[in-house]
Amino acid sequence: QKEVEQDPGPLSVPEGAIVSLNCTYSNSAFQYFMWYRQYSRKGPELLMYTYSSGNKEDGRFTAQVDKSSKYISLFIRDSQPSDSATYLCAMIGSSYKLIFGSGTRLLVRP
Amino acid sequence: DTAVSQTPKYLVTQMGNDKSIKCEQNLGHDTMYWYKQDSKKFLKIMFSYNNKELIINETVPNRFSPKSPDKAHLNLHINSLELGDSAVYFCASSQGAGARIGTDTQYFGPGTRLTVL
Repeated sequence: QKEVEQDPGPLSVPEGAIVSLNCTYSNSAFQYFMWYRQYSRKGPELLMYTYSSGNKEDGRFTAQVDKSSKYISLFIRDSQPSDSATYLCAMIGSSYKLIFGSGTRLLVRP
Repeated sequence: DTAVSQTPKYLVTQMGNDKSIKCEQNLGHDTMYWYKQDSKKFLKIMFSYNNKELIINETVPNRFSPKSPDKAHLNLHINSLELGDSAVYFCASSQGAGARIGTDTQYFGPGTRLTVL
């Protein structure tokens, strides 16, 4: 079993929809949680960063962490075609190694 | 200006060959990394250097050898290439080697797509 599980998708939504992306993890030592966005043929770029449990909002993006359930989410409001990309969750524990999920491919249809 | 650059962008080669991928960062960071992303988009760390010193060395075949001539460069040399080495290899850099937002945020290069025939 992988340390971080993520549904690969693809997830196809119409423009303007609210998107929910999720990851589950098994290592309770993870304390820092990130979401990276990766456009096709490009490197991942950091989108959101949260420490421990709680919510964090940045524009149309909200990251949520529930450590008791070992579950993290990324919500995208008013999704745009430019949001079409692969979204990778990532987390760091005591080893300081960034552990990634396998990514969810999102397609926002105009 | 490109923050983290990799060369080449594409590499197609035969099984058994030896090849190198180069990475350079102009962010003034102290830490650099190599990741491998397989066909299912799974991104996994291979190596990490901090101030030219190896700090993370995952279970990677010893055919893979990283070399850091200075803090701004981290190259990856692969001997005796195998079909299973086909993947996209990403270089990344960060200021620190921990988990602090900002200081330790990792910035990724555009990737090198390696195809072994």
